[in-house]
Amino acid sequence: EIVLTQSPGTLSLSPGQRATLSCRASQSVSSSHLAWLQQKPGQSPRLLIYAASSRPTGIPDRFSGSGSGRDFTLTISRLEPEDFAVYYCQHYGTSSWTFGQGAKVEIK
Amino acid sequence: QVQLVESGGGLVKPGRSLRLSCAASGFTFSDYDMTWIRQAPGKGLEWVSYISSSGDTIYYADSVKGRFTISRDNAKNSLYLQMNSLRAEDTGLYYCTRRVAYWGQGTLVIVSS
Repeated sequence: EIVLTQSPGTLSLSPGQRATLSCRASQSVSSSHLAWLQQKPGQSPRLLIYAASSRPTGIPDRFSGSGSGRDFTLTISRLEPEDFAVYYCQHYGTSSWTFGQGAKVEIK
Repeated sequence: QVQLVESGGGLVKPGRSLRLSCAASGFTFSDYDMTWIRQAPGKGLEWVSYISSSGDTIYYADSVKGRFTISRDNAKNSLYLQMNSLRAEDTGLYYCTRRVAYWGQGTLVIVSS
C-alpha cells in the first residue's frame, strides 16, 4: 500500500505570502493519479489539482501543482483569506486510494 | 449540475448494521466509477470502497473488508454502502464521491453503546 506523507503539518503564513506544501509517496506513483484537495471547516473537500498539475474549471490560477515520481508539491502563489484551510494530497491507485494526513495552512 | 446526496447515517450500537445511500443527479450515473470516503471527527480522510461504473469491479480498504458491501443501482442513480458488524472506529462522516471531483455533503455515522 502506498503511504503519502505531507509536510509541513502546519504552515503559518500571512495573506499575500506564498505557500508550498509537499507530499511524498512511499513509492513512485503515476502523476496521472495524484490529486490535491482543500477542506474548510464544516465543508466537504474540494478538488484543487488532478493529475499532479491540472486545475479543474473554476479553480484560481494561484493554485498550482507539480512533481513526479515520489515527490509532489502544491503551491499557492499568493494566499487569499479564503485559502486558509486543510490540504490533502491523494493517490488514486488501481485497487485502492490513499490520502496524506493533511496539512493545515493557518493565518499567522 | 452534479449533485450527490447521502443519507442513512445515524447512531448505532457496536455490532449492529447500517445502510447508507447516495442519490446522484446531474450526470449520467452509469458512466462513472464511484467511491465512499469517510472522515472520523477531527481526523483526515480515509478511502473506504470503490465500485466501477458497471458494478463489476469492487475494492475495499482493509479496515472494512468483510464487513462492508458497496453496491449500486444504475436504474435508480443510487450508490449504497451496507455496513455490518460496526465498530466504534467506524464513526465518522461518510462521503459519496464521483472520483475526487465531486463530493456529497456526507452522512454522519456514530457507533456507540
